[in-house]
Amino acid sequence: DAKTTQPPSMDCAEGRAANLPCNHSTISGNEYVYWYRQIHSQGPQYIIHGLKNNETNEMASLIITEDRKSSTLILPHATLRDTAVYYCIVRAFDNYGQNFVFGPGTRLSVLP
Amino acid sequence: DGGITQSPKYLFRKEGQNVTLSCEQNLNHDAMYWYRQDPGQGLRLIYYSQIVNDFQKGDIAEGYSVSREKKESFPLTVTSAQKNPTAFYLCASSIGLAFSYEQYFGPGTRLTVT
Repeated sequence: DAKTTQPPSMDCAEGRAANLPCNHSTISGNEYVYWYRQIHSQGPQYIIHGLKNNETNEMASLIITEDRKSSTLILPHATLRDTAVYYCIVRAFDNYGQNFVFGPGTRLSVLP
Repeated sequence: DGGITQSPKYLFRKEGQNVTLSCEQNLNHDAMYWYRQDPGQGLRLIYYSQIVNDFQKGDIAEGYSVSREKKESFPLTVTSAQKNPTAFYLCASSIGLAFSYEQYFGPGTRLTVT
């Protein structure tokens, strides 16, 4: 399974864009990039996922580099409620349940 | 309101006792999962189930057992054989087992064994 590397923590001013990087240099061709976040002591929340094209939904945008070795999650206008741990996960479409591991993630603090 | 419920939110048990954590979903999802999270750590998969009466071990199944008698329910039993049971337990579900489907998580149960 491809591994991911994320910075342990980041700060962002309220109202500004939060850009969270993720490196996944060993990603395979059939592996998707997923982002989840977890607010303290709650269950993780799905944010977005993509294969190779950039994706956007009501929560965020996902920018995947052309070589797919890294990606960036963008929260366009961060609010205090976006303070959470953000997990970048790389998984294959047909990897049925084996080795589901959320790494330590990035702790994003949105500051007033 | 569709979603996943886990109960109770906090659970305390004495060492040597088995304890069952509840997980119910009304999303009509086929797949359900149990994860464990330790302080400052990511999630680790305990068990998962694709359909009723079927379940598979995840990475850390030792000391745990599950059942899937109904589509909407996937209880987890933490047995006395689990060496370090104190943790935050999360249940999740998804439309199908393939991970391209987003997983919906419950609020979690924090288990403390003394």
